[in-house]
Amino acid sequence: ETVMTQSPATLSVSPGERATLSCRASQSVNSKAAWYQQKPGQAPRLLIYGASTRATGIPARFSGSESGTEFTLTISSLQSEDFAVYYCQQYNQWPFTFGPGTKVQIK
Amino acid sequence: QVQLVQSGAEVKRPGASVRLSCMASGYPFSSYYIHWVRQAPGQGLECMGVINPVGGGTTYAQRFQGRLTLSRDTTTSTVYMDLSNLRSDDTAVYFCARVARGSYYADFDFWGQGTLVTVSS
Repeated sequence: ETVMTQSPATLSVSPGERATLSCRASQSVNSKAAWYQQKPGQAPRLLIYGASTRATGIPARFSGSESGTEFTLTISSLQSEDFAVYYCQQYNQWPFTFGPGTKVQIK
Repeated sequence: QVQLVQSGAEVKRPGASVRLSCMASGYPFSSYYIHWVRQAPGQGLECMGVINPVGGGTTYAQRFQGRLTLSRDTTTSTVYMDLSNLRSDDTAVYFCARVARGSYYADFDFWGQGTLVTVSS
């Protein structure tokens, strides 16, 4: 099973600032990585797939990148609606696995 | 528009079984795999299994083998999840999710609203 780890567990950021979230896979996932945003009481929402492609309707302030087994989600200028939990996921190998999440909270 | 609408909350005793449903609309049902993902209170996301609406083929995560059954009804565009021998640690919100782009190995582009299952004596 491919293990996904995320850091930090919690990120405190002021509105308008940049947020950088990290995710590492325990083995190669061939760029088959996604990022999701989840707010309390809601289902996850797809942000990024293929490590760096924005999903339909996702604002340009969200971007994804990869370097080997390391994946990064960057939110260039945090808006109030961006405070949430973010999960990375690999879908290269069954079972598809998620990281434990990074909570982005208001500083 | 694409929608996945799930059945309502359930309360079950330990040892019982539960059946959840996920009704799809707004797209060709047979063209997209459907996963079930669960989330225990305050915890992360866990993939349980996947069903191919064409033919009904399934794959389950090893930890759910023997307890989990996924099925579908193509006439109503509905996927069902049956989980048996429930334990207290099965208490969670269960989501169905569509796999993107008609592929098996892809992200989840649309999700149901979630169904809370509470297992308690």
